[in-house]
Amino acid sequence: QLVLTQSPSASASLGASVKLTCTLNSGHSTYAIAWHQQQPEKGPRYLMKLNSDGSQSKGDGIPDRFSGSSSGAERYLTISSLQSEDEADYYCQTWDAGIQAFGGGTKLTVL
Amino acid sequence: QLQLQESGPGLVKPSETLSLTCTVSGGSISSSSYYWGWIRQPPGKGLEWIGSLYYSGSTYYNPSLKSRVTMSVDTSKSQFSLKLSSVTAADTAMYHCARGDKGGYTYGGTIDIWGQGTMVTVS
Repeated sequence: QLVLTQSPSASASLGASVKLTCTLNSGHSTYAIAWHQQQPEKGPRYLMKLNSDGSQSKGDGIPDRFSGSSSGAERYLTISSLQSEDEADYYCQTWDAGIQAFGGGTKLTVL
Repeated sequence: QLQLQESGPGLVKPSETLSLTCTVSGGSISSSSYYWGWIRQPPGKGLEWIGSLYYSGSTYYNPSLKSRVTMSVDTSKSQFSLKLSSVTAADTAMYHCARGDKGGYTYGGTIDIWGQGTMVTVS
């Protein structure tokens, strides 16, 4: 079974950096994921694809402030120079032979 | 730029079939490089994958919904659709259609374009 685990919430101050984590379950630690952002009352937006070696490809128009990294079964999304509009829910997504899965999401609060 | 727009009834009665359509504009629906999918989000909750439809005709459904879900495509209208039968209040959610980029995978890949979503209430 394909499972992604995310912390329910995170917070950081305006202008600071924050690192969100998405953990792949056993047997899937080498899988690539995608990160998505969902601002309040909006549809999700694709941020980037993140591979197990840390290589990434961002969606169109995604600022350089957003970056990804990987370590073992963990996939990270780092947002630097936090802005008020970064306050949103962040979801990771992965796939295995046609089956898709989403993490439970992390609600990011910008203080 | 490719855009997706969901359409369908906002209110469905219990035990009936929910039917939604996604219209693709600004790009082709007939490409083997991409797949098409449906994702839903109950109020205040996270994203749940419903199913994916591939150019080859293959479909993959969430095992928890598989017995009630049917997805199909109409390339002449640049549309794909979702049918969910025997709905209950638990199916009340925002329903999003999406495009997936296979990126070299046979099946799967990143979802790279989302529709804004359409709210469906079962009552």
